[in-house]
Amino acid sequence: GAVVSQHPSWVICKSGTSVKIECRSLDFQATTMFWYRQFPKQSLMLMATSNEGSKATYEQGVEKDKFLINHASLTLSTLTVTSAHPEDSSFYICSARNSDRGGNQPQHFGDGTRLSIL
Amino acid sequence: DQQVKQNSPSLSVQEGRISILNCDYTNSMFDYFLWYKKYPAEGPTFLISISSIKDKNEDGRFTVFLNKSAKHLSLHIVPSQPGDSAVYFCAASYSGGSNYKLTFGKGTLLTVNP
Repeated sequence: GAVVSQHPSWVICKSGTSVKIECRSLDFQATTMFWYRQFPKQSLMLMATSNEGSKATYEQGVEKDKFLINHASLTLSTLTVTSAHPEDSSFYICSARNSDRGGNQPQHFGDGTRLSIL
Repeated sequence: DQQVKQNSPSLSVQEGRISILNCDYTNSMFDYFLWYKKYPAEGPTFLISISSIKDKNEDGRFTVFLNKSAKHLSLHIVPSQPGDSAVYFCAASYSGGSNYKLTFGKGTLLTVNP
């Protein structure tokens, strides 16, 4: 149980392209999902918290217009990197929290998306 | 300001021995702590967690110990296996925070030698 699917796993595209990454909770509902970015040999940096049916909450320093988040259903959140440039190249990972359960519980992660902008 | 710290970037142990991974935190509001295991180019996999009302939680070969007064937790893996070789992240959250955000340490690379 608690499977999170992230797609695509790897994207290579030209500078200026917009890239959409999907995050799905396959066997549970998630009113809250999270988007992280990881640089090589670094920790996971939280970019934003995605809330179903409402606006995402962005961490300080993360550009809202650059990283568009949509959480239109209880099982799907998308991250769109708009007009991507080489500095946006990174490993993006999503996670989801089971909204059917209250209290403290772990976040479950997707397998990440390797984004390479040429 | 790093609120969750893993001061050992790497650890090497022999197969069959105990692996002890350490984590310190500074925010006294944290009341839920987790350990994740991560392979390269994959997302983290949840291993074990502990609530601040406990000082120990055990699941098979994995045991997490929490020392609230020292703001320290550790993960023990016994016996260690080569398949345990991965990066281990410590994470923390507090139930009073917004949306249960996790704060991660920088990770410790564990290598278990056959």
